[in-house]
Amino acid sequence: AQTVTQSQPEMSVQEAETVTLSCTYDTSESNYYLFWYKQPPSRQMILVIRQEAYKQQNATENRFSVNFQKAAKSFSLKISDSQLGDTAMYFCAFMGGGSNYKLTFGKGTLLTVNP
Amino acid sequence: DAGVIQSPRHEVTEMGQEVTLRCKPISGHDYLFWYRQTMMRGLELLIYFNNNVPIDDSGMPEDRFSAKMPNASFSTLKIQPSEPRDSAVYFCASSLVLGDTEAFFGQGTRLTVV
Repeated sequence: AQTVTQSQPEMSVQEAETVTLSCTYDTSESNYYLFWYKQPPSRQMILVIRQEAYKQQNATENRFSVNFQKAAKSFSLKISDSQLGDTAMYFCAFMGGGSNYKLTFGKGTLLTVNP
Repeated sequence: DAGVIQSPRHEVTEMGQEVTLRCKPISGHDYLFWYRQTMMRGLELLIYFNNNVPIDDSGMPEDRFSAKMPNASFSTLKIQPSEPRDSAVYFCASSLVLGDTEAFFGQGTRLTVV
């Protein structure tokens, strides 16, 4: 069974600084997808960034980038130039490929951006 | 498309009552997921469907929970009888696996059982 582990329950960062959120996962599959979702106080789940396991290049979306280490089963999220609006819960998620597209989430990291 | 639509947004019910949560996925999506979110357990996958067929219901906590997907545009999650420990936010999400694989979430239903 796939498991997703986020070892940092809470983090804080100063506005305009850079922060990295950690995520590790466990799977025996070779083809899969990884995601970071953001959940602000409104509770809406918003996709931040997506990575396909077969792509070696790390995904980037504006101020958000990932460090995908397939051999180490690590998938960290870097937020550059942090903004107050980045304050939210961040969830790492794994979706299997092949015939099993089960989507499993980590427990989340509460990120607070301080002015 | 209006996105994934869940109803109701909020539900308050008394212990022992039946509760039905509803979800309309994005048109054309072939996967549908039901999650429960609590402070203690985070986001738990309860059950998911592929083309209206339940694939994995191992996350359903007990027999009081049941889920159906009678057609591609509608799914329900039912709790009967409800208990206070069922209080949580319930999310529905849908995905189109072939293409830009991404799960789109509804706004969630906050269930309170008193």
